[in-house]
Amino acid sequence: AQRVTQPEKLLSVFKGAPVELKCNYSYSGSPELFWYVQYSRQRLQLLLRHISRESIKGFTADLNKGETSFHLKKPFAQEEDSAMYYCALREARVSGGGADGLTFGKGTHLIIQP
Amino acid sequence: DVKVTQSSRYLVKRTGEKVFLECVQDMDHENMFWYRQDPGLGLRLIYFSYDVKMKEKGDIPEGYSVSREKKERFSLILESASTNQTSMYLCASSLSAHYEQYFGPGTRLTVT
Repeated sequence: AQRVTQPEKLLSVFKGAPVELKCNYSYSGSPELFWYVQYSRQRLQLLLRHISRESIKGFTADLNKGETSFHLKKPFAQEEDSAMYYCALREARVSGGGADGLTFGKGTHLIIQP
Repeated sequence: DVKVTQSSRYLVKRTGEKVFLECVQDMDHENMFWYRQDPGLGLRLIYFSYDVKMKEKGDIPEGYSVSREKKERFSLILESASTNQTSMYLCASSLSAHYEQYFGPGTRLTVT
């Protein structure tokens, strides 16, 4: 069974400091990895997906298949980054339709101190 | 702009009651999902649907059922609510496989 581990429940850093939110996964196939974010009183929204290889709001994440990790990084934290962050995995389908739900980690609450 | 709406933001029910949580999306998405979100446990998939009248069990389907009679609407049913079903319930939808899931605002259900 697939599993996503986020080892830190809470991460507190100062504004301007680098941020790294850890995510490790276990899955026998070739997964799709995502980072979702939930700001206070807002709905859960997609931040990044590994296949797009883009930087969103200064955040990047690289899939490391050797270490089975997908850590989220930002070089300089901003106060508006304070939120709940969830790493998620979905089985990658070669073809065809259907759907698969996401397997989420337990989340990391990121607090950026001024 | 994708819109996923859930019928109630807050709901309080008694143990043993039958509870319906409704979710509607307005973007003609094929796939719809129900998750529950609990502190320290993250989100867990309850059920999902990839077409009208089609449903698949997720990771924690026990005590729940679902209904999808129309493409835009996906209902979560608690046949006999119990206190351990007190939680935040999130609905999501996606255009099809490989596409982003869009989430609703959530329904906070309290079972007393």
